This record gives sequence, C-alpha cells and structure tokens, in this order.
Amino acid sequence: EVQLVESGGGLVQPGRSLRLSCIVSGFTFGDHGMSWFRQAPGKGLEWVGFIRSKGYGGTTENAASVKGRFSISRDDSKSIAYLQMNSLKTEDTAVYYCARFARYDSSGNSVATVDYWGQGTLVTVSS
Amino acid sequence: DIVMTQTPLSSPVTLGQPASISCRSSQSLVHSDGNTYLSWLQQRPGQPPRPLIYKISNRFSGVPDRFSGSGAGTDFTLKISRVEAEDVGIYYCMQATHFPWTFGQGTKVEIK
Repeated sequence: EVQLVESGGGLVQPGRSLRLSCIVSGFTFGDHGMSWFRQAPGKGLEWVGFIRSKGYGGTTENAASVKGRFSISRDDSKSIAYLQMNSLKTEDTAVYYCARFARYDSSGNSVATVDYWGQGTLVTVSS
Repeated sequence: DIVMTQTPLSSPVTLGQPASISCRSSQSLVHSDGNTYLSWLQQRPGQPPRPLIYKISNRFSGVPDRFSGSGAGTDFTLKISRVEAEDVGIYYCMQATHFPWTFGQGTKVEIK
C-alpha cells in the first residue's frame, strides 16, 4: 500500500525556518518525482514545488511565491522528500501536502500526474 | 502562468441528478509530446485531495464510473452522471503541462 506521511509542521515565527519531511512507503521512492502543495485556511490548492527523480536529473522547480526561500530535496536511501522553508511569512500559513508524481503508467504511456497524496501537515506562521 | 478558470464555483445538485463542472485554461494544455496533462481532483471536507481523473479522461483505479472527463486544448469538463451523497466536496482541475502547475479555484458540489 502506497503511503505518504508528512511531518515537521507547527507554529513558527515570521522570518524563521522549518523543514518538512515526507516519508513514503509501498513503492520504490527513487523511481518517482515528488511534489509539494499547500492550502491556506479556507482557500484552494497551490503548487509549491517539484523534484525529479535522480533518473531525470533530480532537479527542482519552484513556484514564484516561494522561490529563493523554499527548497526541495530528497534522500532516496531513506525514502524521504524534504521541504526546507526559510524566511517564513505569515502568508505561508497553510496545510502542506506532499504527493507522488507518476511519469508513466504500467503500460509505459506517459501520464505525468500526481497520483498519491499525504494527509498534510499544518504550518502556522505567526508572532 | 497558466490561469485555470472553473465554472460554476458552486453547484447545488439533487441526489441522483447529474453535475457538470467546466475548466478553461488561459492557453493550450497540449504538451510538446502531444499529451494534455489535465487532471481533476476531489477534496471532501477535512480530507486531502483525491485524484479522480488524469490526462483529461482517464479515471484512477477505484474511481466510480459515474465520473467522466472530457475536453481538449483549453476547455475541459468533469461530469458526474448521478450525484451521490459521498460526492459532496470541492472539485479542482489542475494542469501539469507547463510549470508552474496551476489549479482552478475549485467548485463546491453540495446536495440541494
């Protein structure tokens, strides 16, 4: 069974840092890209960033709203994806979700979709 | 950035009746590889998003066949053939053709 579990959320003051972790199980982590999303209280979904699998260079993409402040990394040996959040602002308050990216389906067709999500972890930025 | 516009934003539906949600993108979602990476997700109250549909019209495993997706280019539709009580929630379209990935505002489906 595929599982993604986020951790590391909590209350943090503006300007401080926080690192979220996404521990996965039930699939070969190294074969998949991973993405982070967020949802501010009562608002819609927002894409935060994406990290490719090592097979595709392990490079990252980030939303403009977090570029230069947030970074995504991965440890394939531990099956963990990270979201490092620096210089946090009050508007970063949200539930943060990690999700698995599937590039191909079982037949080898390109699907390029997010197919599993974690339960989310709440980050509250407030003084 | 590609702007995704959903209509309606709220859809009160009678149980057993159909529902339809439109999603329009500000530019074509056809990727250079010829595929269109448009997905639909459902978010029930208090739950994380649940993927329903990928590449316009392909249902994920376990998604009831009353959910269907259609469209092309910049115009897409999610249809629920007969709404059930468990379908209450917010539905989002999402494009993953171009970075940054973007979502529609969400459409709230509720029972009339």
